[in-house]
Amino acid sequence: DAEITQSPRHKITETGRQVTLACHQTWNHNNMFWYRQDLGHGLRLIHYSYGVQDTNKGEVSDGYSVSRSNTEDLPLTLESAASSQTSVYFCASSDPGQGTYEQYFGPGTRLTVT
Amino acid sequence: SQKIEQNSEALNIQEGKTATLTCNYTNYSPAYLQWYRQDPGRGPVFLLLIRENEKEKRKERLKVTFDTTLKQSLFHITASQPADSATYLCALALFDGNNRLAFGKGNQVVVIP
Repeated sequence: DAEITQSPRHKITETGRQVTLACHQTWNHNNMFWYRQDLGHGLRLIHYSYGVQDTNKGEVSDGYSVSRSNTEDLPLTLESAASSQTSVYFCASSDPGQGTYEQYFGPGTRLTVT
Repeated sequence: SQKIEQNSEALNIQEGKTATLTCNYTNYSPAYLQWYRQDPGRGPVFLLLIRENEKEKRKERLKVTFDTTLKQSLFHITASQPADSATYLCALALFDGNNRLAFGKGNQVVVIP
C-alpha cells in the first residue's frame, strides 16, 4: 500500500543546530507540503512543492528550507534551530489530478529545541 | 486579514445525538472546502470535500453544508459514537490549481457513552 512516512518521529536538539526532517511518500504525488502544528495556531504551511526542483514559501517559512530532487522526498531543514521552532511537523502530499484534492498526511515529527 | 474560525471549546455530546461544528471564514473566496479528522498523536485524515456550487454533501453519518454568502460551513455527525471523538479541522482551498490549503485550528468533539 502507498504511504507517507516521516522520520524521525521524535527529535530533541539544541539551539543553533541544523536539523533535517525527512518525508517520503510512495503515492507518486507531485504536490508535497510541510506544516507545523502548535496549540492555538492550528496547521500552518511552511513550504510546499509542486514537482521536482520546484519549491515555494508558505506563511511561516523563515528559518526553514526544503529541496525537491525527486518525486518521493521533500526534506525540511531547520538551518539554525530556535526554541520557537519547537513544534509538531507534518508532511503531506496530494495529486492535483484527483478530484477530491485531498491531502495525505504523515504521522508527524515532534521536535523539541532546548 | 484572512481568518478561518472554528470553536475553540470542545463539544461534549451524548452518544446517539447529532454533533454540529461550525467553520466561519473571512476574506477568502474558496472554490471548495474540506473537512479533516485528527486523532491525538496522528496526522489529519481527509473526510469530505464540498465545492462552492454545492449546498450539501453527505458521506455515511457525516453531512457538510457550505454557504458562500454567509461564508460558513457546518459539519454534522449524526448518531454520534464514542469512536467519533476526535478533533475536526476545516480547510479552505487557496485555489491555484494545486490544492494549497489554509486550515482552521480545529474543534474537538467528545462523545459521551
